[in-house]
Amino acid sequence: AQTVTQSQPEMSVQEAETVTLSCTYDTSESDYYLFWYKQPPSRQMILVIRQEAYKQQNATENRFSVNFQKAAKSFSLKISDSQLGDAAMYFCAYRTPNTGNQFYFGTGTSLTVIP
Amino acid sequence: KAGVTQTPRYLIKTRGQQVTLSCSPISGHRSVSWYQQTPGQGLQFLFEYFSETQRNKGNFPGRFSGRQFSNSRSEMNVSTLELGDSALYLCASSLPAGGPSNTQYFGPGTRLTVL
Repeated sequence: AQTVTQSQPEMSVQEAETVTLSCTYDTSESDYYLFWYKQPPSRQMILVIRQEAYKQQNATENRFSVNFQKAAKSFSLKISDSQLGDAAMYFCAYRTPNTGNQFYFGTGTSLTVIP
Repeated sequence: KAGVTQTPRYLIKTRGQQVTLSCSPISGHRSVSWYQQTPGQGLQFLFEYFSETQRNKGNFPGRFSGRQFSNSRSEMNVSTLELGDSALYLCASSLPAGGPSNTQYFGPGTRLTVL
């Protein structure tokens, strides 16, 4: 069974600093995709970044980057130069083609940005 | 392109009633997935529809059902509402499964309160 674990229920970071959110997953599949979604107080889920398992290069989107360690089944999100607008709940998600479009989500990490 | 839209945004029902929620996917997206989000259980997959057929189903009772129309719009129905059905119901659309571009894009959700 596929499971996604986020071990940090809450994190905080000073504005302009860097923070890393952790995610681990369990799977026996070799082909899969990983995602980070952001859910601000508005509740709108917004895609932050995605990573294909077959790619060794870590994905980067502006201030957001991931550290993908396939052997360790780890997929952490690094937010650089944190901004007040980054405050949100962050969810790690996993999907494999064998389960169609079913995403498996972690329990989320609530990020607070301190001015 | 317009994003995923969900109606209604808020709904209050009483136990025993039934409810229908609607989701219009992004133009060109043919897959629609539904998730239930609660503070205690997090994001849980309900089902996925593609080409008017249910392609995948999560572990929910038969009171939860859905359908998809030829224009890819989807509805989900919950019959005999229980207090525990109070949740945010999220709809997500995506291209058909099979490729790395298959990311789910979420709507704003429908907040259902059962009294």
